[in-house]
Amino acid sequence: EVQLVQSGTEVKKPGESLKISCGGSGYTFSNYWVAWVRQTPGRGLEWIGIIYPRDSDTRYSPSLQGQVTISADRSIDTAYLQWSSLKSSDTAIYYCARLVGQHLDTLDHWGQGTLVTVSP
Amino acid sequence: QSALTQPASVSGSPGQSITISCTGTSNDVGGYDYVSWYHQYPGKAPKLIIYDVNNRPSWVSNRFTGSKSGNTASLTISGLQAEDEGDYYCTSYTTISTFVLFGGGTKVTVL
Repeated sequence: EVQLVQSGTEVKKPGESLKISCGGSGYTFSNYWVAWVRQTPGRGLEWIGIIYPRDSDTRYSPSLQGQVTISADRSIDTAYLQWSSLKSSDTAIYYCARLVGQHLDTLDHWGQGTLVTVSP
Repeated sequence: QSALTQPASVSGSPGQSITISCTGTSNDVGGYDYVSWYHQYPGKAPKLIIYDVNNRPSWVSNRFTGSKSGNTASLTISGLQAEDEGDYYCTSYTTISTFVLFGGGTKVTVL
């Protein structure tokens, strides 16, 4: 069974750093792109970026490029999303998902989500 | 404002059929057969229910059907059940972005 398991809820202050994780199991983790998506009540579902764990090829949404870093550790089948300096606007639920399809067009399995709250 | 347009809400009575639309352009929905649909319960992650316009993953009931006409894709839920409540999102491959486009979501209520 394909599963993506994310790290738990985080509460941080503006300016703090954070790294959340997404562990894959039930499939060959290195062979599939992993997507990071965030969800907020006001902005709906929004792309952050994607990573191919086999070679760490990474692509970011233009609006978030430079604001976050996506990485992966093939040895432990885990992808990461990190911030060096959080802002209140980073408050959201963050999902990882496995990306499939000829044009990387389908998110076929999702993690349970990580709630990140950034507040003074 | 989302790139793909969905109605904010759709409702129906148990046993009825409802249809949710997802409108884009010829650069996305209208030009390619790479539309997916997702169902999300409150507080839970989205779950894939349709891919490539009209294909169902093995875990999805045949009460869910996808279709497309021109620049509009549609998701039809037949034999509506209480468990079908929640939010539904469409996505589409697009030529103008690395990433698929998201719809704004449709809240389905079973009356």
